[in-house]
Amino acid sequence: AQSVAQPEDQVNVAEGNPLTVKCTYSVSGNPYLFWYVQYPNRGLQFLLKYITGDNLVKGSYGFEAEFNKSQTSFHLKKPSALVSDSALYFCAVRVSYGGSQGNLIFGKGTKLSVKP
Amino acid sequence: EAQVTQNPRYLITVTGKKLTVTCSQNMNHEYMSWYRQDPGLGLRQIYYSMNVEVTDKGDVPEGYKVSRKEKRNFPLILESPSPNQTSLYFCASSLYRDRGSPLHFGNGTRLTVT
Repeated sequence: AQSVAQPEDQVNVAEGNPLTVKCTYSVSGNPYLFWYVQYPNRGLQFLLKYITGDNLVKGSYGFEAEFNKSQTSFHLKKPSALVSDSALYFCAVRVSYGGSQGNLIFGKGTKLSVKP
Repeated sequence: EAQVTQNPRYLITVTGKKLTVTCSQNMNHEYMSWYRQDPGLGLRQIYYSMNVEVTDKGDVPEGYKVSRKEKRNFPLILESPSPNQTSLYFCASSLYRDRGSPLHFGNGTRLTVT
């Protein structure tokens, strides 16, 4: 079965420190991977995606993500965290076969808390 | 401005009283989808639509209906709401139903059924 796992419910980081939000996936074929961010009382916003090419992809707000095929991971990273980065982060993978091909499967989300 | 618009943002209703949550997008997207978000469960797909007059069940379709008569609109209908449908609902759309196209989300509808 195709799935996405975010092993940490919450990540706490001090402002200015690097941050990592973890994501692992299970999918048949080549994975199409996405990160979204959700601020309070808002919908999800697209941050970045991996389709093919460089394993390090850059996205909005200074975020980047590293695709690792051997570890089936797609961790979200930022070199220097801001308090305003505090939000809920979702990893997602696109279904690659079957009747629901094209749908996104989301992880359960990781709450990022950046303290001053 | 390109956007997905949901209405209402907040809705409190009673068990059994039919309701509709509207969703409209102005990006000419073919693909649209409804999700519900519950604590600890993440986002779960309710229904999706690949194009006009084409709809399919997602992971949790029970108790919900949808229609896609026009490309821009994808309303979510609860014929007889129950308390277990109390949740935060999101509508989303994308340009193509291809694997590289990101979803665009509305701001959500918080539904409470008493």
